[in-house]
Amino acid sequence: KNEVEQSPQNLTAQEGEFITINCSYSVGISALHWLQQHPGGGIVSLFMLSSGKKKHGRLIATINIQEKHSSLHITASHPRDSAVYICAVSRYQGAQKLVFGQGTRLTINP
Amino acid sequence: ETGVTQTPRHLVMGMTNKKSLKCEQHLGHNAMYWYKQSAKKPLELMFVYNFKEQTENNSVPSRFSPECPNSSHLFLHLHTLQPEDSALYLCASSQMGQGNQPQHFGDGTRLSIL
Repeated sequence: KNEVEQSPQNLTAQEGEFITINCSYSVGISALHWLQQHPGGGIVSLFMLSSGKKKHGRLIATINIQEKHSSLHITASHPRDSAVYICAVSRYQGAQKLVFGQGTRLTINP
Repeated sequence: ETGVTQTPRHLVMGMTNKKSLKCEQHLGHNAMYWYKQSAKKPLELMFVYNFKEQTENNSVPSRFSPECPNSSHLFLHLHTLQPEDSALYLCASSQMGQGNQPQHFGDGTRLSIL
């Protein structure tokens, strides 16, 4: 079993729908990262959080340290949100080695 | 524009060829990374360089040879690769020594071994 598990692995939705992607981890962490990978391959860091909730535009990330669980929400989804979303964790403060989930492939249809 | 530039974007090579991947970061970071992403597998860390010194080699075969001449440039030299080495190779950079920091990724080089 991977230390970082994401669900679902694939998600298809209609434009405008509210999207939730989940990430569970089984190890102690210092921070959790949400990354977005577009079809061309490039990866963008969306959030880094260690507690609570962060919001950027239509994206919201939450983390529950006690339950070892994080969610990424997308409100008013749009076809341009179609990408692979990757959860990764830092095991300790300043850790450079991240532990990655397998990714969630999101497709938003117009 | 992420501040991390990788060249080439695509590379096709035979198993006996020698080629190099290049990464350059314009963010003033002091740490650089090479990752491998194979189909249907999570990202795998290959190498970490801090202040030009290699600090992590994640059991990578010797046919992959990294080079970091300065904090802004990172190379991955390839020789006698195998078909299973076909993958997306991603470079990243970050600022080490300031607690948790996000890593900034390039667009990757998609490598195909014939």
